[in-house]
Amino acid sequence: EPEVTQTPSHQVTQMGQEVILRCVPISNHLYFYWYRQILGQKVEFLVSFYNNEISEKSEIFDDQFSVERPDGSNFTLKIRSTKLEDSAMYFCASSGLTRRQPQHFGDGTRLSIL
Amino acid sequence: SQQGEEDPQALSIQEGENATMNCSYKTSINNLQWYRQNSGRGLVHLILIRSNEREKHSGRLRVTLDTSKKSSSLLITASRAADTASYFCATDFQGGSEKLVFGKGTKLTVNP
Repeated sequence: EPEVTQTPSHQVTQMGQEVILRCVPISNHLYFYWYRQILGQKVEFLVSFYNNEISEKSEIFDDQFSVERPDGSNFTLKIRSTKLEDSAMYFCASSGLTRRQPQHFGDGTRLSIL
Repeated sequence: SQQGEEDPQALSIQEGENATMNCSYKTSINNLQWYRQNSGRGLVHLILIRSNEREKHSGRLRVTLDTSKKSSSLLITASRAADTASYFCATDFQGGSEKLVFGKGTKLTVNP
């Protein structure tokens, strides 16, 4: 069964450094998302992406965050200057050809900021 | 707040028993989805139920939706130790947004 894959599984970065989290969505999906889950808290929406542009973003997704779909398969989340509070599990998700389809999640990248 | 909220927060049962988890939300929805998360792992999609549907089945899973009460339930029948996980409901709300809003989840433990 097709799945969303994320790399790396764990990223350790010094505060202030840039980090790029990578995702390969399901191949025929058109809608892409990033969510995060701080340890012990709810899963929170960050951003949605469709037709090569951001369709919605949350208050968390400030100027330090950006997303890109550099080619036909990858979807990346960049944090320019990481803060301690960016430590979380980051999930990529994708959904199908039309709106309102199930969102399928990857296993996540655990980001630890030191 | 638009958030879905599950109850109970934790549920412990014996293998073979049924497990029922509930979810409530506050504003009108397009869809409600249930997910499972094993400890430290990603979210596995279980079922999507649309606002015009009342019940859906998938294997040992049964989901109901009552839009008048703004609530949903997930029933797992004949539970197995492998069902031990956290279960979340997630809603996308009317008004155009695709984003999912998650509850805090129910932590289910199935004892062998």
